[in-house]
Amino acid sequence: GAVVSQHPSWVICKSGTSVKIECRSLDFQATTMFWYRQFPKQSLMLMATSNEGSKATYEQGVEKDKFLINHASLTLSTLTVTSAHPEDSSFYICSAPSEANEKLFFGSGTQLSVL
Amino acid sequence: GIQVEQSPPDLILQEGANSTLRCNFSDSVNNLQWFHQNPWGQLINLFYIPSGTKQNGRLSATTVATERYSLLYISSSQTTDSGVYFCAVAIQAGTALIFGKGTTLSVSS
Repeated sequence: GAVVSQHPSWVICKSGTSVKIECRSLDFQATTMFWYRQFPKQSLMLMATSNEGSKATYEQGVEKDKFLINHASLTLSTLTVTSAHPEDSSFYICSAPSEANEKLFFGSGTQLSVL
Repeated sequence: GIQVEQSPPDLILQEGANSTLRCNFSDSVNNLQWFHQNPWGQLINLFYIPSGTKQNGRLSATTVATERYSLLYISSSQTTDSGVYFCAVAIQAGTALIFGKGTTLSVSS
């Protein structure tokens, strides 16, 4: 079946640095990808929708200048957390819809820890 | 926006017991998926079930779209079934899923 590959699985960084997370759709194309954030013992919250060839759309309360999204090809979307701070520490997960636009496939997630 | 409510929030079972998890949603949906999140955070897709009934081994799910709810059945539970079960829905095809708060299942031997 379709697979969404997400890297890295975990990252530890110092406060003030930037971190890039990659999300790739394997064996299928995704004009749209979704980025979620999950804090400990909470549910997944949609952060933004990544659109190939155009600007991402962000959910209310998500800072677009802090969470930069680039969807440069039909198989790759990246999320860059700029000037990360400890409160940005979280689990980030990407997803992409199947080519038939039925179900969503999810990456394995990235655990970000900002010291 | 659409609301997704899952019950119960927590469930403790002895190995071998059966359980039913419920998901209520506030609007008509085009997509409904059940997931199991393992201790490493990975989301395992259990069912894509916007309507009807499906079964996969010890797990089965039923969605009654007209009444806006879905049920996940786990039979003969095992310790490896422990984790968080999420129901997620989308109003339109190809759009983002909105997640419920999940049911945390603990199965003890």
